[in-house]
Amino acid sequence: QVQLQESGPGLVKPSETLSLTCSVSGGSISSFHWSWIRQPPGKGLEWIGNIYHNVNVNYSPSLKSRVTISIDRSMNQVSLKLSSVTTADTAVYYCARYRSDLYASLGNYYYYPLDVWGQGTTVTVSS
Amino acid sequence: EVDLTQSPGTLSLSPGERATLSCRASQSVSSNYLAWYQQKPGQAPRLLIYGASSRATGIPDRFSGSGSGTDFTLTITRLEPEDFAVYYCQQYGNFWTFGQGTKVEIK
Repeated sequence: QVQLQESGPGLVKPSETLSLTCSVSGGSISSFHWSWIRQPPGKGLEWIGNIYHNVNVNYSPSLKSRVTISIDRSMNQVSLKLSSVTTADTAVYYCARYRSDLYASLGNYYYYPLDVWGQGTTVTVSS
Repeated sequence: EVDLTQSPGTLSLSPGERATLSCRASQSVSSNYLAWYQQKPGQAPRLLIYGASSRATGIPDRFSGSGSGTDFTLTITRLEPEDFAVYYCQQYGNFWTFGQGTKVEIK
């Protein structure tokens, strides 16, 4: 079964770029879609963005100017880059998987929500 | 962007009681792409319900989802000790959003 593991620096300085990697094991990265979610300390979940059908991306409007999500198929990894970070970006960052079914007769996809999550990695923004 | 408002913020109940959690969207949720997650302290969220009313794999049948359009409900018919947690709704249409969460605590 698919397992996800986030990794990256636990401490990032203000104004720098946060870079995280999600390593996918137990399945092909190309078979699914991928999402990054974050959770500030003591607060709720915030969607950051998705990469789907291997190349399409969708970002939260509030983060769009600073976010890049990409896939490295050779490494079976999904990456997140968040630029110009501030203390408000301090959070647990999760990667998660979702999938879709193709309804060929209708020519469209039915999407499912996030059914496999990594354990999360804590990122603190501080000088 | 679809805003989701969950109520109540906190639900204080005893084991064996029924829990009813509400999620209201600022506009109609496309294709009923509404999910519910459970999160316990220090853990990642777990998917409970997708498509507003379908249980995810391995989820006990005491969890059920209902609703359409802008009003959705998660019901837990008889609370077990392991059900005390925070519950989030999420719409996964075009731009995804989460509700702010409902904490179900032991009374």
